[in-house]
This record gives sequence, C-alpha cells and structure tokens, in this order.
Amino acid sequence: EVRLVQSGAEVKKPGESLKISCKGSGYSFTSFWIAWVRQTPGKGLEWMGIMYPGDSDARYSPSFQGQVTMSADKSINTAYLQWTSLKASDNAIYYCARQGSLVGGYGDYWGQGTLVTVSS
Amino acid sequence: SYELTQPPSVSVSPGQTARITCSGDALPKKYAYWYQQKSGQAPVLVIYEDSKRPSGIPERFSGSTSGTMATLTISGAQLEDEGDYICYSTDPSDHQRGVFGTGTKVTVL
Repeated sequence: EVRLVQSGAEVKKPGESLKISCKGSGYSFTSFWIAWVRQTPGKGLEWMGIMYPGDSDARYSPSFQGQVTMSADKSINTAYLQWTSLKASDNAIYYCARQGSLVGGYGDYWGQGTLVTVSS
Repeated sequence: SYELTQPPSVSVSPGQTARITCSGDALPKKYAYWYQQKSGQAPVLVIYEDSKRPSGIPERFSGSTSGTMATLTISGAQLEDEGDYICYSTDPSDHQRGVFGTGTKVTVL
C-alpha cells in the first residue's frame, strides 16, 4: 500500500526556521517525484514545486522560488520542505503528493497534511 | 499566470446528477484531473487524464472535456459525496508546473 506520512502540526514565531517531512512507503521512493502543495482558505490549493528524491533535483513554482527549499534523504525515504525565516503569510496546511512524472504529472497519493501556524 | 475557473458551489439532491465544470484555455491540449476533498482531509484523486477513474473510485464519478471546459459528473449523488472538488492541470507555458482550479463546494441535500 502506497503511503505518505507527514510530520505533525507546528506552531512557530515569525522569523523562525522550520522543516517538515513526508515519509513514503509501499513504493520505490526514488522513482517518483514528490510535489508540495499549500492550502489556505483564501487561495485554495497552490502547487509549490516538485523534487526528485533520486537525485534531489528540485523545481519551484515562481511564487515559491527562494521562499522554501525542497530536499530529501533517500536513505530513509523522506522528503522535506524547509523555511529559514517564517512569515505570517506561511500560515497554511502543507501537503506532499507523489507524482509520476515531471512534465504533465499529477499527485496520485497524498500525505495527510501538516498544519503550520506562524504567530507572534 | 494560467488559471482554472470553477463555480464556487453546486447543490444536488440525493440520487440526482451533479455536474462541476472547470474552464481553462489550455484544456484542449492538457489533461484535466479532479480531486475530492472532504472537510479536514487530504485531497483524493477521483479522475485522471480527463476521464479515467482510479481504482476504488465509484463508477458514479465520470469526467469529460469539450473545448476549454472539463466536467466532473456525479451520477446518482450520495450524501457521502459532499465536499470540495478541485480540478488540476498543467501550466501550458511551464509544463513542469501544476495548477489547481478555484474549487467547487458540492452540497448534497
């Protein structure tokens, strides 16, 4: 069974750093891309970018380029989404999703989501 | 930037047919996908590549496209189908970038 299990909810202050995780199981983790998706009440679902755990190749949507970093540790089948300095606008639920291809791909299996709360 | 536009809400009586539309200029050339998201849960893929149904998705869910519009049809809607439905496709100017629709809240009552 394909599963993506994300790390738990986080509460942080503006300016703090954060790294959330997404652990894959039930498939060849290094053979599929991992996409990250942000969900907010105001903007709905937003595709942030995608990374390939096999070689850590990452591509970012222009809106998120320079704002976050995607990475992976293939030895433990885990992908990461990282911020160096959180802002209030980063308040959202973040999902990871398995994606079969870079071009024209889509998320077929999703993690349960990680709620990130940024508040002073 | 590329946009996929959906109606904010659709209401349907149990057993009737609900149709949810998604409008995008590139849909004649790019596949449409549909996700169902129930309250407090992650999205679930219900249609891929315009009209294909993943394993485990009930047959009452079907997808179609015509020109710049993709349609998700729920035939014989059930109470459990209530939730948000979001279309997805690929940005025609950046084939690596995904784009989500604005989402439609489906109410079954």
